Amino acid sequence: AQSVTQPDIHITVSEGASLELRCNYSYGATPYLFWYVQSPGQGLQLLLKYFSGDTLVQGIKGFEAEFKRSQSSFNLRKPSVHWSDAAEYFCAVGDLLTGGGNKLTFGTGTQLKVEL
Amino acid sequence: EPEVTQTPSHQVTQMGQEVILRCVPISNHLYFYWYRQILGQKVEFLVSFYNNEISEKSEIFDDQFSVERPDGSNFTLKIRSTKLEDSAMYFCASSERGREQYFGPGTRLTVT
Repeated sequence: AQSVTQPDIHITVSEGASLELRCNYSYGATPYLFWYVQSPGQGLQLLLKYFSGDTLVQGIKGFEAEFKRSQSSFNLRKPSVHWSDAAEYFCAVGDLLTGGGNKLTFGTGTQLKVEL
Repeated sequence: EPEVTQTPSHQVTQMGQEVILRCVPISNHLYFYWYRQILGQKVEFLVSFYNNEISEKSEIFDDQFSVERPDGSNFTLKIRSTKLEDSAMYFCASSERGREQYFGPGTRLTVT
């Protein structure tokens, strides 16, 4: 069965510093991979996605992620963090369903705190 | 920008009562999902719905749960007889082509 590991439960960075959030996945085939962000009291907002092709994908809010098959990783990066980026970040892998669509398996999330 | 909406935002119910959580997916989307997040735990898949039928359900989605698309715009999750352990945030999601999913803001269900 597929699984996602986010090894860092909490991360604190200073505003303007770079950010990397780690994600490792386990999946038998080429995965669909996603990063979502959840601000307090809000739903899950899709940051970016990887299906195939270029392994470096760009998302919203200046985020990017790199798919590395050899390391089973899909780490999220941002060159310069803003205070408004403080939130919880979830990595997810999509499992294709024979009946159509795909079901997401999420990691436990990484809580990002930004110090001013 | 189109969004998934969910009502109510917070529902409090007594154990054993039936609840219906409502979702309006993005209008041209064809795939619909429910997930839940118990406080402090992972977001978990409950069920997927496509072409007017369930395409996959998790072990959590037992006979107490059902889903329906009663018209062209709503997608509902019914819990027939709520238990304390059903307390969670329930998220609806929709997808146009079955790949990326867009989530609603969630309904917080509290069972007392």
